[in-house]
Amino acid sequence: RKEVEQDPGPFNVPEGATVAFNCTYSNSASQSFFWYRQDCRKEPKLLMSVYSSGNEDGRFTAQLNRASQYISLLIRDSKLSDSATYLCVVTLYNNDMRFGAGTRLTVKP
Amino acid sequence: SQTIHQWPATLVQPVGSPLSLECTVEGTSNPNLYWYRQAAGRGLQLLFYSVGIGQISSEVPQNLSASRPQDRQFILSSKKLLLSDSGFYLCAWVTGPGISYGYTFGSGTRLTVV
Repeated sequence: RKEVEQDPGPFNVPEGATVAFNCTYSNSASQSFFWYRQDCRKEPKLLMSVYSSGNEDGRFTAQLNRASQYISLLIRDSKLSDSATYLCVVTLYNNDMRFGAGTRLTVKP
Repeated sequence: SQTIHQWPATLVQPVGSPLSLECTVEGTSNPNLYWYRQAAGRGLQLLFYSVGIGQISSEVPQNLSASRPQDRQFILSSKKLLLSDSGFYLCAWVTGPGISYGYTFGSGTRLTVV
């Protein structure tokens, strides 16, 4: 079983749509959780951290369910510029980050 | 400010040739540094990490090696490249204390072995 699993997509949605990505992780000792965004042929960039209480940053909402070992990302009112690959990331005890393979999103006009 | 530099941006090397990729950080001291590889259409694979000068941990046995000769310098090397070494190589560091901070990545080196 992969340490971090994501639906690879692709997700093709129209502008203005709401889209949700899911991620599961296998190591119950995982400490911290993140969503990264990676544009084509670029390095990943931190989108947001994920907290158990849930957190929101503008149109983006992240949720963590430790009991189910499940992380989600919700994007509301999708923009063309949201097109990218979204990486789910968990951190182990030693600052070691494990990445999912990513979910590709394409927002169309 | 804290920045991370990685070079070269692209590299085309023949099979059997050596490799040296360099990563340097600025604006911090004693960072944890990481080398990742991303094969085409695949996720990021951790290759090496270092918590200090001369301290290297290897995650994947292969023909690559890493060194940390200075606090803010991390080098990825190979004596003889294989076709399977092609990929996008990313250096990263932790941007804050503890494990609650995410990594910051360099801009990466796209290596094609021919």
